[in-house]
Amino acid sequence: AQSVSQHNHHVILSEAASLELGCNYSYGGTVNLFWYVQYPGQHLQLLLKYFSGDPLVKGIKGFEAEFIKSKFSFNLRKPSVQWSDTAEYFCAVTSSGGSYIPTFGRGTSLIVHP
Amino acid sequence: NAGVMQNPRHLVRRRGQEARLRCSPMKGHSHVYWYRQLPEEGLKFMVYLQKENIIDESGMPKERFSAEFPKEGPSILRIQQVVRGDSAAYFCASSPYRDRKETQYFGPGTRLLVL
Repeated sequence: AQSVSQHNHHVILSEAASLELGCNYSYGGTVNLFWYVQYPGQHLQLLLKYFSGDPLVKGIKGFEAEFIKSKFSFNLRKPSVQWSDTAEYFCAVTSSGGSYIPTFGRGTSLIVHP
Repeated sequence: NAGVMQNPRHLVRRRGQEARLRCSPMKGHSHVYWYRQLPEEGLKFMVYLQKENIIDESGMPKERFSAEFPKEGPSILRIQQVVRGDSAAYFCASSPYRDRKETQYFGPGTRLLVL
């Protein structure tokens, strides 16, 4: 069964700091990868997703993620965070031939100090 | 275009009562997914439904929990004889297609508190 690990459970940064949130998955085949964000009091929404092609994916609000197949990773990055990036971030994966249901990571809570 | 709607947003029940959570998917979406979010545990899949059919209920507890998605009206997640451990946020998501690459569109969630 596939699984997703987000090792950073809580991250605290100052504004303008750079961000990298880790996401590792366990599945040897073709995967579809997603990052979702949940702002305080709001619903989850898609930040970006990767299926194939360029392993560096650009998302909304200046976020990007890089798929590194050899490391089974799909880390989320942003060069300069803002206070408004304070949120919970979830990595998710589906796999070709596997379930249609995405497997979500535990989530990373990001707090950005102004 | 209205997003996924869930109601109520907050629900308080005493132990032994029933909780009924509703989810209206986005217009044009016929696939509905229910997730439970416990503190520090992330999102756990419960059940996947298409109109009038349960497609996958592998994440649903065997007792007290049931779900439906009738031909008309919202999807309903029902929890009978609630216990304190049922306290959690319950999220509904919808999608237009059954596709592993498809984005899921989430509702705002229902926060259930069992006293």
